[in-house]
Amino acid sequence: GAVVSQHPSWVICKSGTSVKIECRSLDFQATTMFWYRQFPKQSLMLMATSNEGSKATYEQGVEKDKFLINHASLTLSTLTVTSAHPEDSSFYICSARPPSAVTDTQYFGPGTRLTVL
Amino acid sequence: RKEVEQDPGPFNVPEGATVAFNCTYSNSASQSFFWYRQDCRKEPKLLMSVYSSGNEDGRFTAQLNRASQYISLLIRDSKLSDSATYLCVVNIRTGFQKLVFGTGTRLLVSP
Repeated sequence: GAVVSQHPSWVICKSGTSVKIECRSLDFQATTMFWYRQFPKQSLMLMATSNEGSKATYEQGVEKDKFLINHASLTLSTLTVTSAHPEDSSFYICSARPPSAVTDTQYFGPGTRLTVL
Repeated sequence: RKEVEQDPGPFNVPEGATVAFNCTYSNSASQSFFWYRQDCRKEPKLLMSVYSSGNEDGRFTAQLNRASQYISLLIRDSKLSDSATYLCVVNIRTGFQKLVFGTGTRLLVSP
């Protein structure tokens, strides 16, 4: 199946710093990528839809100035958590949908575990 | 009310058992349906899509009832390696595509 990578796989940072997470589709071009967040024992929640060459679409309640998304190429989207605080500690997962997909399936990256001290 | 509801479990079953998971969804704009599997501290992985006609993949059978807005997953002859959290996922189209995840049902298969 399609491969999506994320970097870093985990990060620990101090409160107030910014953290950038990269999401890459390795064997296909993705015009749309998705960013999710999962808190312990909760479901994945869509944060935003990242569209190549245009502004991301954020879900209700997600601060676009805090979670900056850049989808500069067809294979790379980045999520920057600005001025991170302990409550931002979570598992961040990206996904991408191949343009030729027959179904609406998405392929997920391995996730990035963020811990803010 | 959550858009996708699942019994969180855990379901504790012995090897070889048959186990069934249920899921209900509330958004009438739901267009496609999936079961994903998520292992601890890992990303979700697609297990199977779900169709109204029912579909089977080896030991796994999925069923969709659009009238009742109900989705099921049946696992036969459970293996130890089936232990995971099973996520019911609905694709909603309201202009944009959006996957909505249930909180998952945890399955523990014991020897």
